[in-house]
Amino acid sequence: DAGVIQSPRHEVTEMGQEVTLRCKPISGHNSLFWYRQTMMRGLELLIYFNNNVPIDDSGMPEDRFSAKMPNASFSTLKIQPSEPRDSAVYFCASISASGGFRDTQYFGPGTRLTVL
Amino acid sequence: AQSVSQHNHHVILSEAASLELGCNYSYGGTVNLFWYVQYPGQHLQLLLKYFSGDPLVKGIKGFEAEFIKSKFSFNLRKPSVQWSDTAEYFCAVNTGFQKLVFGTGTRLLVSP
Repeated sequence: DAGVIQSPRHEVTEMGQEVTLRCKPISGHNSLFWYRQTMMRGLELLIYFNNNVPIDDSGMPEDRFSAKMPNASFSTLKIQPSEPRDSAVYFCASISASGGFRDTQYFGPGTRLTVL
Repeated sequence: AQSVSQHNHHVILSEAASLELGCNYSYGGTVNLFWYVQYPGQHLQLLLKYFSGDPLVKGIKGFEAEFIKSKFSFNLRKPSVQWSDTAEYFCAVNTGFQKLVFGTGTRLLVSP
């Protein structure tokens, strides 16, 4: 299995531009999570989906952030417009379809976003 | 709300020294506990996890952790660290539907 796939691995953009991060979960996993990691705030859960439906988006910082999961094999996290304080590493993780409490989240390699 | 505390933000050890990283959580009910490791420039990988049963859990690369319910703790240990253990270590707790709450992480530097 290829694991969780994220693209791009690195993104450098200018303030005000739209940024789209992509994630492909492990095949058969039915839940997907987006995290943001910064030095100041550590690892924060932004949003997670179960069976393509957003379950908890309370971690999404503001309206500039949006996430979608149009099907079981693809999700996007969009920032529009981007700001320098959005600079961080964004991780996607997925979890097994057998579901429940006891499963392990598998993380992707992350996208390092720099907003100038 | 549930929270996870990792009191040691930075730890520096020499090779062959013993390691213990603290983790405390705040939740009175049933918990599942995890330790993840993030090597420099890489993604988070699972080291070990506790769901039930023996409170002493063994993971990969010689790591182990002990769940002490009365202390709400899940400390990570390794008897003898190696330079390759240099990484950031995250404790996490799952108290409900698949959602993890992470601690702030502990950066471990092992000098050769």
